[in-house]
Amino acid sequence: QVQLQESGSGLVKPSQTLFLTCAVSGGSITSGGHTWNWIRQPPGKGLEWIGYVYHTGSTYYNPSLQSRVIISVDRSKNQFSLNLTSVTAADTAVYYCARAPALAKGWFDPWGQGTLVNVSS
Amino acid sequence: QSVLTQPPSVSGAPGQRVTISCSGTSSNIGATYDVHWYQHLPGTAPQLLIYAFNNRPSGVPDRFSGSKSGTSASLTITGLQAEDEADYYCQSYDRSLNCFVFGSGTKVTV
Repeated sequence: QVQLQESGSGLVKPSQTLFLTCAVSGGSITSGGHTWNWIRQPPGKGLEWIGYVYHTGSTYYNPSLQSRVIISVDRSKNQFSLNLTSVTAADTAVYYCARAPALAKGWFDPWGQGTLVNVSS
Repeated sequence: QSVLTQPPSVSGAPGQRVTISCSGTSSNIGATYDVHWYQHLPGTAPQLLIYAFNNRPSGVPDRFSGSKSGTSASLTITGLQAEDEADYYCQSYDRSLNCFVFGSGTKVTV
């Protein structure tokens, strides 16, 4: 059974870059058939999809965040990562990683537990 | 501001039936993109509850069901139980925004 676990800095200063990693266990990122996604939830607000990476390295981002986001994959470590540049307080959120089927505009399953990132000086 | 609109809260007594609506537009639910539902307990990983309108992953009780009509979808919990107290989110894809979109979330109180 595939499991995902986020890790990274819980505190980022404004204008700096947020960096998170999602470790995949119980399955291989390179097996194909899935996209590897980042989703976030600001305090008291709804969920927002950030983007995904395929095991080949191809990516697709939320147009509203596209200019600041890079999602990459490390096949040797079976993990993928999120870089979000020029962060502001509005980027404070719980960040989740999740898997989705590659061939459809489908569902997210499973999800990681989430990690809270606070943007503050 | 979430693209898909859900009621902030619904409540019911144990054993009752509750329905959560998810209202979209012709760019998402009305464009025949699938709707999926998640159950979320704060501090834990969201769990897939229903996928592609009315399919349950293994392990999800059959008291959970989904439906769709036009530009809206619904999640129904039949025989409400105390353990169903959680936040519920719908999700689809929006062809105008070119991204996956979520509902605003509904807190179910038993």
